[in-house]
Amino acid sequence: DARVTQTPRHKVTEMGQEVTMRCQPILGHNTVFWYRQTMMQGLELLAYFRNRAPLDDSGMPKDRFSAEMPDATLATLKIQPSEPRDSAVYFCASGTRPVYFGPGTRLTVT
Amino acid sequence: AQSVTQPDIHITVSEGASLELRCNYSYGATPYLFWYVQSPGQGLQLLLKYFSGDTLVQGIKGFEAEFKRSQSSFNLRKPSVHWSDAAEYFCAVGAGGNKLVFGAGTILRVKS
Repeated sequence: DARVTQTPRHKVTEMGQEVTMRCQPILGHNTVFWYRQTMMQGLELLAYFRNRAPLDDSGMPKDRFSAEMPDATLATLKIQPSEPRDSAVYFCASGTRPVYFGPGTRLTVT
Repeated sequence: AQSVTQPDIHITVSEGASLELRCNYSYGATPYLFWYVQSPGQGLQLLLKYFSGDTLVQGIKGFEAEFKRSQSSFNLRKPSVHWSDAAEYFCAVGAGGNKLVFGAGTILRVKS
């Protein structure tokens, strides 16, 4: 049963620290997404990749967020420096119609 | 721009009763439509999808949805709700480049 995996599942960090979230998309999926979920904003698309190339990162705060795909089996989302307003659940997803979601990383920035 | 409206933030139904969750979308072209379910602390699980063809689509867990182009709607239904169906439900439209635009979600509570 192929699944999107994400690590870590939970992360608590202090303001100003660097946070790296990792995602392993479903093997063979060449489209990978990063979404953020908060109570206030709901599900927001941060960035997505096709064949490891970034296609759209307009939803991502450029000054502190970065997303990469070092290889086809790994996507990363980095926040540096982190701020309390970054506290949210970050989902990685892969696939094309439909899209399959990972379990999420719950980030708390104190 | 694409958008999805789920008018009901919360819905409470009794176990065994029927369920309908509403979803309206705005999209200029032929939409790709999805329903996802999220249990507390979990990711989003795909319930069903509509791409083309038969406007009544069947999904997992006994759910179905009907696409009505004239009403720009894609409502989710289930004839008999189980307590395990309590969760948050998201409608989504596939926008350009395979991106998904989500509605705000509807929280379903099931009374025993």
